[in-house]
Amino acid sequence: SQTIHQWPATLVQPVGSPLSLECTVEGTSNPNLYWYRQAAGRGLQLLFYSVGIGQISSEVPQNLSASRPQDRQFILSSKKLLLSDSGFYLCAWSLARAGETQYFGPGTRLLVL
Amino acid sequence: GENVEQHPSTLSVQEGDSAVIKCTYSDSASNYFPWYKQELGKRPQLIIDIRSNVGEKKDQRIAVTLNKTAKHFSLHITETQPEDSAVYFCAASGYSTLTFGKGTMLLVSP
Repeated sequence: SQTIHQWPATLVQPVGSPLSLECTVEGTSNPNLYWYRQAAGRGLQLLFYSVGIGQISSEVPQNLSASRPQDRQFILSSKKLLLSDSGFYLCAWSLARAGETQYFGPGTRLLVL
Repeated sequence: GENVEQHPSTLSVQEGDSAVIKCTYSDSASNYFPWYKQELGKRPQLIIDIRSNVGEKKDQRIAVTLNKTAKHFSLHITETQPEDSAVYFCAASGYSTLTFGKGTMLLVSP
């Protein structure tokens, strides 16, 4: 069966500091991978998605970036965090075709102070 | 691109009552419609989904209906229980990524 991991689970960072969140998937090959952000009490905002190694699509302009160095690894980064970057970051995977269920990781709760 | 509208934003019911959450979508090419439940502080989890070749699907106390002509789909929960309290998200997908509604907070009072 497939599992998805995210770390860290929680993170408190000062404004202006860098960020690196990691997501890995086990039990499947060539998945589509996604990064979402969820502000407190709000909906799911798609940040990035990837259909393969090195292939990243950005959905919204921001100070965040994503990379996919390996087939089942997805990384979310920032060089300088803003207060508005606080939120619940969720990684998800799906099979590599349109119209497939997305399965979410446990999430990383980020607080920027 | 796809646009998904979800109503209501909050829904309060008494235990044992039924709850209905409705979503509309804009892209007639969409053909996959999942529903997710997110408990406080947890990840969204798939509870039921439906594809465009089916009009209704049921799984115990939950059911989803789809009207492709009107471009709307609904989640029905019968005999609600306090543990059904959560935020529910609908989503639609065609040839691209899922587009989510803004969510419905369901509160079930004992």
